[in-house]
Amino acid sequence: GAVVSQHPSWVICKSGTSVKIECRSLDFQATTMFWYRQFPKQSLMLMATSNEGSKATYEQGVEKDKFLINHASLTLSTLTVTSAHPEDSSFYICSARQFYEQYFGPGTRLTVT
Amino acid sequence: GQQLNQSPQSMFIQEGEDVSMNCTSSSIFNTWLWYKQDPGEGPVLLIALYKAGELTSNGRLTAQFGITRKDSFLNISASIPSDVGIYFCAVPWGGATNKLIFGTGTLLAVQP
Repeated sequence: GAVVSQHPSWVICKSGTSVKIECRSLDFQATTMFWYRQFPKQSLMLMATSNEGSKATYEQGVEKDKFLINHASLTLSTLTVTSAHPEDSSFYICSARQFYEQYFGPGTRLTVT
Repeated sequence: GQQLNQSPQSMFIQEGEDVSMNCTSSSIFNTWLWYKQDPGEGPVLLIALYKAGELTSNGRLTAQFGITRKDSFLNISASIPSDVGIYFCAVPWGGATNKLIFGTGTLLAVQP
């Protein structure tokens, strides 16, 4: 149990375009999901906390207008990277909280050319 | 902001060797978590520690919650090639939201 999926697993897009990444909890409901970003050879950095039915809470330094988060249901949160630039290329990982534990998705590799 | 420093940064060992790594903070935390991340994957929880001084095992892995509540240690005995990956410590913070801060990570390479 407690499986989290992400789609797509990798995506390449052109600079200036927008990309949507989905995070789904497959066998449980999650009122809270989290979005992380991981640059090569670095740790996971929390970007935002996604709450079902309400606005996401962004960490300091993360542009909310650039990284749009929608948590429309108890099993789905989406992250849209708007007007992507090469510096947004990274590994994006979501997690879903069940009780006091977070379960992580397999990640999405975004490359902006 | 909060920072968890892990040591060593990387380790290159032979199969069968034991491994030790640690995680330290300048702040006190009441829960310590250890995750493993395989290349190109999300992290997977290995061990959770909830009490200062606690020693918990999961197969060949043993983790300890430091008595000062500012550090934690992870040991892997008799390493095997599939132990390869990045090991992260993490602590929950932010009250009810249970956000996680991750450590800087320890990269483990095991040579058969």
